[in-house]
Amino acid sequence: GENVEQHPSTLSVQEGDSAVIKCTYSDSASNYFPWYKQELGKRPQLIIDIRSNVGEKKDQRIAVTLNKTAKHFSLHITETQPEDSAVYFCAASFFYGGATNKLIFGTGTLLAVQP
Amino acid sequence: DGGITQSPKYLFRKEGQNVTLSCEQNLNHDAMYWYRQDPGQGLRLIYYSQIVNDFQKGDIAEGYSVSREKKESFPLTVTSAQKNPTAFYLCASSMDWAGELFFGEGSRLTVL
Repeated sequence: GENVEQHPSTLSVQEGDSAVIKCTYSDSASNYFPWYKQELGKRPQLIIDIRSNVGEKKDQRIAVTLNKTAKHFSLHITETQPEDSAVYFCAASFFYGGATNKLIFGTGTLLAVQP
Repeated sequence: DGGITQSPKYLFRKEGQNVTLSCEQNLNHDAMYWYRQDPGQGLRLIYYSQIVNDFQKGDIAEGYSVSREKKESFPLTVTSAQKNPTAFYLCASSMDWAGELFFGEGSRLTVL
């Protein structure tokens, strides 16, 4: 069935280092891959997304890469800062025939940036 | 100020009682969703609605019910049939189906 695997579940880095979170998905028809950030006690918010016709997308210190052949996509955060500490969720769209699709989320990565 | 509002933020319930969580949005979004968040399990879809008066079961719909009588409202009822209801519940909306999700601040339900 549809599945999104996310690794690692926890990640601790020193301030200024880079962080990478990886996700794999099972449905080759998936074409939309968003990343959400959830700070402690707050709602998840979209930070970046990518569609299957693009291999990489950047927005300041964050970037997402997509490898459709291998069915995996990754979030890269450079020059990490303490305010990057949060839980990050990846997601992938799954189709159920016609135009019906929905997002399946990974299990989340708790990123801790040590000052 | 546009957004999506959930209430109550915290709720305690005795076993055997039904409870209804409110979700209201003024973003004029067609699609609305309910997710359940448990530690280490990510966000799991309970129910979703693409349009008024229509809704569909998600992955973990058993023990839950919803209604969509108005575009801006999508309440979730946690029934006594839900075997493990203690969780953090998130409501979301999107302009387009499977587009960017806008989440509410969540409701934390504890069953005593």
